[in-house]
Amino acid sequence: QVQLVQSGAEVKKPGSSVKVSCKASGGTFTTYTVSWVRQAPGQGLEWMAKIIPILGTGNSAQNFQGRVTITADKSTTTAYLELNSLTSEDTAVYFCARESVEADGFDLWGQGTMVTVSS
Amino acid sequence: SSELTQDPAVSVALGQTVRITCQGDSLRTFYASWYRQKPGQAPMLLVYATNSRPSGIPDRFSGSTSGNTASLTITGTQAEDEADYYCNSRDSSGDQWLFGGGTRLTVL
Repeated sequence: QVQLVQSGAEVKKPGSSVKVSCKASGGTFTTYTVSWVRQAPGQGLEWMAKIIPILGTGNSAQNFQGRVTITADKSTTTAYLELNSLTSEDTAVYFCARESVEADGFDLWGQGTMVTVSS
Repeated sequence: SSELTQDPAVSVALGQTVRITCQGDSLRTFYASWYRQKPGQAPMLLVYATNSRPSGIPDRFSGSTSGNTASLTITGTQAEDEADYYCNSRDSSGDQWLFGGGTRLTVL
């Protein structure tokens, strides 16, 4: 059974960067698209970006263009989200999610990584 | 780009039927998916491709779409269904994703 396991919570200063990882264990990874979705405290879900690990290509929502970098390491079946120029508004739980071709939606989610931006 | 709009909150009596709706132009073209999220947990896929369910999701969850509105219907609502529900679809380009703002379901 495939699981997506994310890295642990982070506390960052304003203006700095954070890199969150998402490792697929127990199954294939590279043929799926992996998205990153965040959720600010008490708020809804916000799609950020996606990557196709086998191709190494993807895109991001306009709100994050120029500030987000998404990568994937096929050898370790791990996807990464890096977000730069952090502000307090980036304080959120960041989820990775697998896009199912059959479901045309997200059928598998990581447990979430809390990122707190505070001076 | 476009948006998906949900009612912020809905309530239902235990055992009754409730419908949660999601409006957006992209729903005329692309499938809707629905997710349930309980506090402190990741979202869970309930319904996809408008009205299909992943393995393990009970058939009291069903979906439909009419025009620009997708609906999630829960029949025989249980106390454990009290949660936040989100709709999801591709945007007008088909290459990015949208989420609705979420609906908090209260079971009375």
